[in-house]
Amino acid sequence: ELKVEQNPLFLSMQEGKNYTIYCNYSTTSDRLYWYRQDPGKSLESLFVLLSNGAVKQEGRLMASLDTKARLSTLHITAAVHDLSATYFCAVDDSGGSNYKLTFGKGTLLTVNP
Amino acid sequence: NAGVMQNPRHLVRRRGQEARLRCSPMKGHSHVYWYRQLPEEGLKFMVYLQKENIIDESGMPKERFSAEFPKEGPSILRIQQVVRGDSAAYFCASSGVPGQPMNTEAFFGQGTRLTVV
Repeated sequence: ELKVEQNPLFLSMQEGKNYTIYCNYSTTSDRLYWYRQDPGKSLESLFVLLSNGAVKQEGRLMASLDTKARLSTLHITAAVHDLSATYFCAVDDSGGSNYKLTFGKGTLLTVNP
Repeated sequence: NAGVMQNPRHLVRRRGQEARLRCSPMKGHSHVYWYRQLPEEGLKFMVYLQKENIIDESGMPKERFSAEFPKEGPSILRIQQVVRGDSAAYFCASSGVPGQPMNTEAFFGQGTRLTVV
């Protein structure tokens, strides 16, 4: 059974600081997704990582995937208050045959002024 | 192109009643996934459907829950005789045919927040 673990689960950081959220998973997969969720809202797709070594950046967020280590990271650079949200990683181990995802528990990020 | 549409957005049911949650996929999508999010938790897969077929229902509770995706109309997640523990946010996602180069992910709807009182 695929397990996806995120850490930390709670992250409080100051504006302007850098930090990394980690996502480990237990089975072979090269398809990993990062989402953002604001309270009471749906999931916003941030990054789709589909191969070993994939690196994608959007604004202050950068995501990478190491399939050999079964690890993805979401790096936050110079955090701003608007980044406060819950961030989920999700893994698809179907080999591309469907989009059934296994989610981590999420990281609640709070960026303080 | 409208996104994935779910309705209702909020649903309140008394214990023992039935809840029907609807999901209209994005135009051109024929694959639907249902997920449940309990408070303070991540999403958990429930069921994967294509038009008129249930492909994977490994995450569905054995009793009271059913899902369908008819040839015409939205996908329906039905919960019979609801209990307080069914209170959660239910999200559906839709996708095109997996494996095709232009299809790399499923897209999520806004969710239905079910409260059982």
